[in-house]
Amino acid sequence: GQNIDQPTEMTATEGAIVQINCTYQTSGFNGLFWYQQHAGEAPTFLSYNVLDGLEEKGRFSSFLSRSKGYSYLLLKELQMKDSASYLCAVKERDDKIIFGKGTRLHILP
Amino acid sequence: DTGVSQDPRHKITKRGQNVTFRCDPISEHNRLYWYRQTLGQGPEFLTYFQNEAQLEKSRLLSDRFSAERPKGSFSTLEIQRTEQGDSAMYLCASSLDWAANEQFFGPGTRLTVL
Repeated sequence: GQNIDQPTEMTATEGAIVQINCTYQTSGFNGLFWYQQHAGEAPTFLSYNVLDGLEEKGRFSSFLSRSKGYSYLLLKELQMKDSASYLCAVKERDDKIIFGKGTRLHILP
Repeated sequence: DTGVSQDPRHKITKRGQNVTFRCDPISEHNRLYWYRQTLGQGPEFLTYFQNEAQLEKSRLLSDRFSAERPKGSFSTLEIQRTEQGDSAMYLCASSLDWAANEQFFGPGTRLTVL
């Protein structure tokens, strides 16, 4: 069956680093996405991993381990505007994309 | 603006009525996806298209839901005999093709069923 798990909520301090974990069990695997979604807005693309390892893009990095069914999103130098939900999503073998429930990240000043 | 557009942005209807939503993907994007999202949840897959062909429809979707993409460009999602449980944000997303690594989401249509 399909299962994507990520923490429901996390809190971090402005300027700090936070890691949001995601574990998945899906029907086939064609890549993993991270999206950011501010309240009341549509998701916006952050990253895509299909091979094992770390992909860095500015303050955001995403890691994938296919053998462990595990990914994380690392946010550095947190800013207040990073307060949002972060969605982990897996592209299955048939190219269908399944989303997790999202992690609400609260940034404290 | 050349992004994904959806119409209407908000829809309030009475239980039992039919509603239809429209999505215009980014030009030349072959893949089009429909999702439903409720508060505090991630987007839930409903269906997707490759050009005009509907590739899959979620097993969670009742027969009251139907989607079309007649000319491989815009798409419509119709809900017949709406129920209060259909209240949600309906999101459309498009990608260039099956190999594309990024989906672009529209602003969504918020449906409220009274």
